[in-house]
Amino acid sequence: DAKTTQPPSMDCAEGRAANLPCNHSTISGNEYVYWYRQIHSQGPQYIIHGLKNNETNEMASLIITEDRKSSTLILPHATLRDTAVYYCIVSLNTGTASKLTFGTGTRLQVTL
Amino acid sequence: KAGVTQTPRYLIKTRGQQVTLSCSPISGHRSVSWYQQTPGQGLQFLFEYFSETQRNKGNFPGRFSGRQFSNSRSEMNVSTLELGDSALYLCASSLEVGGPFLYFGPGTRLLVL
Repeated sequence: DAKTTQPPSMDCAEGRAANLPCNHSTISGNEYVYWYRQIHSQGPQYIIHGLKNNETNEMASLIITEDRKSSTLILPHATLRDTAVYYCIVSLNTGTASKLTFGTGTRLQVTL
Repeated sequence: KAGVTQTPRYLIKTRGQQVTLSCSPISGHRSVSWYQQTPGQGLQFLFEYFSETQRNKGNFPGRFSGRQFSNSRSEMNVSTLELGDSALYLCASSLEVGGPFLYFGPGTRLLVL
């Protein structure tokens, strides 16, 4: 699986958009980008995933660059409850996908 | 639909003992994966079970083992506990082997003294 690079921490004011970047320059053509988050003392929670096109769901938007070497997770209106560690993961969407490699993630702190 | 449940939530053991952790997946999910989370190593994949068979395995010693029952419930066992085994053990379930959408439980926090 391709490795990912994320900033260790970010701050965001409540109500503003949080843009979390992720570099995955060695991603292969059939690997997906997944985002999970882990709120303190809880298990990770799936947020969104994508292959080439930008994706949006009720939680967030995922923007993937045309060369697929990087992506950005966007929380459009961050709240205090979005304070968590966000993991960007690249993996095949096949039988090995559950063997997800979680890096160190980005610790997002949402403040008043 | 009930989420993934793990028991016990907290556990204290001493070195050399063994421990068994339990995980009940979301109803209808047939795959169960186990992860270990420590401050130093982060989240690390232990193994995955599907239809009572181990399908994927991480890089952990043989002291770590698991099994899955016909109702998809899973247990993991750690024998001869070491101080370094202190961690949060997370179980995740998914519909099929390999996910890709994993639903994690709250974890079992194990402290080895």
